[in-house]
Amino acid sequence: EVQLVESGGGLVQPGRSLRLSCAASGFTFDDYAMHWVRQAPGKGLEWVSGISWNSGSIGYADSVKGRFTISRDNAKNSLYLQMNSLRAEDTALYYCAKDNYDILTGYLNYWGQGTLVTVSS
Amino acid sequence: QSVLTQPPSVSGAPGQRVTISCTGSSSNIGAGYDVHWYQQLPGTAPKLLIYGNSNRPSGVPDRFSGSKSGTSASLAITGLQAEDEADYYCQSYDSSLSGLYVFGTGTKVTVL
Repeated sequence: EVQLVESGGGLVQPGRSLRLSCAASGFTFDDYAMHWVRQAPGKGLEWVSGISWNSGSIGYADSVKGRFTISRDNAKNSLYLQMNSLRAEDTALYYCAKDNYDILTGYLNYWGQGTLVTVSS
Repeated sequence: QSVLTQPPSVSGAPGQRVTISCTGSSSNIGAGYDVHWYQQLPGTAPKLLIYGNSNRPSGVPDRFSGSKSGTSASLAITGLQAEDEADYYCQSYDSSLSGLYVFGTGTKVTVL
């Protein structure tokens, strides 16, 4: 059974940093691209970032480019999102999601339950 | 900022058929990229509902169907049931943006 478990969310002041983690199990992690998707309270889904199986291809939404960094450790079956210079508008539930392909061209066939990030002073 | 436009809401009585549109452009749906659909039940994570425009993952009832034409796609729910009340999102790939994956604005389906 595929499981994606996010952690690292919390309350953080504007301008500070936070690192999210996603622990994956139930599939061969290094065979697939992975993503972060967020959902602000009461709003729709927003793709944040994606990374190919070997970290050779990475993409970011314009809203986070230059502030967020996605990475993965295939030996630890883990996905990360380093979030710097956080803003109030980054407040959201952050989902880890598995792609159905190894590169960034597919769809998201499994999702975690999310970790909440609140940016407020 | 979503580049795929969906109606904010649709509604129907049990047993009826409802459709949700997803309108894109020449850099995403119109460029030939596949459209995928997700269902988000209240208080839960999104779940893949339709992939590759019209394919259902195992376990998804056949009352859900998808189609694509030109720069748009549609999700149809036939025989609407109370448990179908949820938010629905389309998703595709966009070649014009640095943000490769794009979601629709989302549609709330209400069962009357």
